Amino acid sequence: RKEVEQDPGPFNVPEGATVAFNCTYSNSASQSFFWYRQDCRKEPKLLMSVYSSGNEDGRFTAQLNRASQYISLLIRDSKLSDSATYLCVVHTGTASKLTFGTGTRLQVTL
Amino acid sequence: EAQVTQNPRYLITVTGKKLTVTCSQNMNHEYMSWYRQDPGLGLRQIYYSMNVEVTDKGDVPEGYKVSRKEKRNFPLILESPSPNQTSLYFCASSLSYKSGYTFGSGTRLTVV
Repeated sequence: RKEVEQDPGPFNVPEGATVAFNCTYSNSASQSFFWYRQDCRKEPKLLMSVYSSGNEDGRFTAQLNRASQYISLLIRDSKLSDSATYLCVVHTGTASKLTFGTGTRLQVTL
Repeated sequence: EAQVTQNPRYLITVTGKKLTVTCSQNMNHEYMSWYRQDPGLGLRQIYYSMNVEVTDKGDVPEGYKVSRKEKRNFPLILESPSPNQTSLYFCASSLSYKSGYTFGSGTRLTVV
């Protein structure tokens, strides 16, 4: 079983739609959680950290369920510019140990 | 501007010819890491460093070396590159594990 699993997609949604991505992780000792965004052939960029209480940043909402070991990202009112691959990232153990999911591709269309 | 700078951006080399990919950050970050990204496998950690002279292996360290003699620099060394090291490489740095990483623009390496 992979340490971090994501549905690879692609998710094809029309502009204005709401879309949700889920991610599961296998290590219950994982400590910190993030969503990154990666555009084609570019570097990953931090989108947001994920907290147990849930957190929101504009149109983006992230949730963490420690009991079920999954993380979610909700994007409301999708824009064309949201088209990218979204990476679920989990920090476990040593301070620099980050494990990346393989990413979920989102394509927003007119 | 706060950034992580990698060089070169693109490199084609031949099997066995030693090469170094440089990485430098100007944010006074303690943590630095190297990743490679391959289709279907995602980003995998090669080596990481928690401070000057403190480095450790990640998930795929074979065939790579690193050094951390100064806080800002974390070069990746391939002593004898092989075709299976053809990949997209990213350097990243972080203030702490809670704050997430800032990535460099990547180095696309081809070994023929």
